[in-house]
Amino acid sequence: DAGVIQSPRHEVTEMGQEVTLRCKPISGHNSLFWYRQTMMRGLELLIYFNNNVPIDDSGMPEDRFSAKMPNASFSTLKIQPSEPRDSAVYFCAVSGTYTDTQYFGPGTRLTVL
Amino acid sequence: DQQVKQNSPSLSVQEGRISILNCDYTNSMFDYFLWYKKYPAEGPTFLISISSIKDKNEDGRFTVFLNKSAKHLSLHIVPSQPGDSAVYFCAASLSNSGYALNFGKGTSLLVTP
Repeated sequence: DAGVIQSPRHEVTEMGQEVTLRCKPISGHNSLFWYRQTMMRGLELLIYFNNNVPIDDSGMPEDRFSAKMPNASFSTLKIQPSEPRDSAVYFCAVSGTYTDTQYFGPGTRLTVL
Repeated sequence: DQQVKQNSPSLSVQEGRISILNCDYTNSMFDYFLWYKKYPAEGPTFLISISSIKDKNEDGRFTVFLNKSAKHLSLHIVPSQPGDSAVYFCAASLSNSGYALNFGKGTSLLVTP
């Protein structure tokens, strides 16, 4: 995971608050993925970008979730308003353009009270 | 809805013996398969992969076998070492969907001395 920085590592917030998760690939990658891990559903894809353009956001659970990638070195995942069922670990992963191997960040553990 | 399944939540193996982790998938269109290893509080780490045009790929102590007719793959670790204790995720992807990963729920491997 040395190639991807995620912040914050832990976030505790109250229901209804806005939450912003951040991802910074250290080296150049063309594709960026956001995943969520929960006990019930395991690791599931939320959205992915290629060359900063969102390609597939069908995994985003609701309109409360949004993601942006303003440049190749930064992406955000925003939840507004947050709900307790959003509590999970959120991972960012990167890969070269349409290549198979993805490299994951350490994740952000989100707890919504 | 889960297209990739790991039916064994946990596995315990003695050091030096072989560990065999299994994975089944339902979507016959998947053309790339990967195994990731995950330690607590870290992101998944890529371990080994295999293309659907092959039936075996080996990398040191790790070998992945693919049986397309059975829609089954397995990861063999031999010899197993205590440091291999982790959660192992099987993942499958479609090359024409940007290689977004579909994950199994993981198998927790414990290698005892």
